[in-house]
Amino acid sequence: DQQVKQNSPSLSVQEGRISILNCDYTNSMFDYFLWYKKYPAEGPTFLISISSIKDKNEDGRFTVFLNKSAKHLSLHIVPSQPGDSAVYFCAARYGGATNKLIFGTGTLLAVQP
Amino acid sequence: DAGVTQSPTHLIKTRGQQVTLRCSPISGHKSVSWYQQVLGQGPQFIFQYYEKEERGRGNFPDRFSARQFPNYSSELNVNALLLGDSALYLCASSSPGQDSNQPQHFGDGTRLSIL
Repeated sequence: DQQVKQNSPSLSVQEGRISILNCDYTNSMFDYFLWYKKYPAEGPTFLISISSIKDKNEDGRFTVFLNKSAKHLSLHIVPSQPGDSAVYFCAARYGGATNKLIFGTGTLLAVQP
Repeated sequence: DAGVTQSPTHLIKTRGQQVTLRCSPISGHKSVSWYQQVLGQGPQFIFQYYEKEERGRGNFPDRFSARQFPNYSSELNVNALLLGDSALYLCASSSPGQDSNQPQHFGDGTRLSIL
C-alpha cells in the first residue's frame, strides 16, 4: 500500500517557467513533509519542508504548499533552471518517537534550456 | 563541515554472504536512519537509531540488523544475502532532538550488488 504517491513519473519544463511537482498521501498521522532532490550517483539532498500545521513554506525559488483536507502537497520551482533537472522525492514523517520517512516513487524533472 | 559519509561506495557480494555497511553522521547529529532504495522506487525505511538505541524498524527480515556506536556512527549488517538485496543503501542523520522538525540529511549511499 503506497501511502505517499507521486503520480507523474516525469515532467518537462522550459527554462524560466514554473515547475510544479505533486504528491498525494493517504495517512492523516503524517506530521511533517519534505522534498528531496536526487542526482544520479548521489544521495538525496534536502530542499524544503513543511509542518502539518502550516499550508505554505517558501525558500528562495522553492515553495511547498500543503492542502491537508485533500491530503496533497506540491512543490513549485520559479524560475526553473537547467541545474534543477533531477529526480524529486516527496517524503512524509509519522508523528511520534520514530523519525521514519515514507517516500514517494519520485518525479524526474527535465528543465530544457 | 563534512556531510554524512558512507563506506564503501560500491560492493559486490555473492548469495549467502554477509555484508557490513558503515555510516558517519554529520557532527553533532545523534540520530541515524538506514534506507534501502531499489531502482525505480523511493527509499524504504529499514532502521532508526537515536542515542545508541533502536527507535524504529521497517518491514525487513531479521537478516537485517544495525547498531549505533558511542560516537554516533552506525553499521548496517545483512546476513545470508539474496539477489533481491541488491540496492542502494542510504544512511541519513538528523539533529539533535528526536522529535524536532529537523530534516534528515543523506549520504551518497553504498551500492550493493549481489551475484
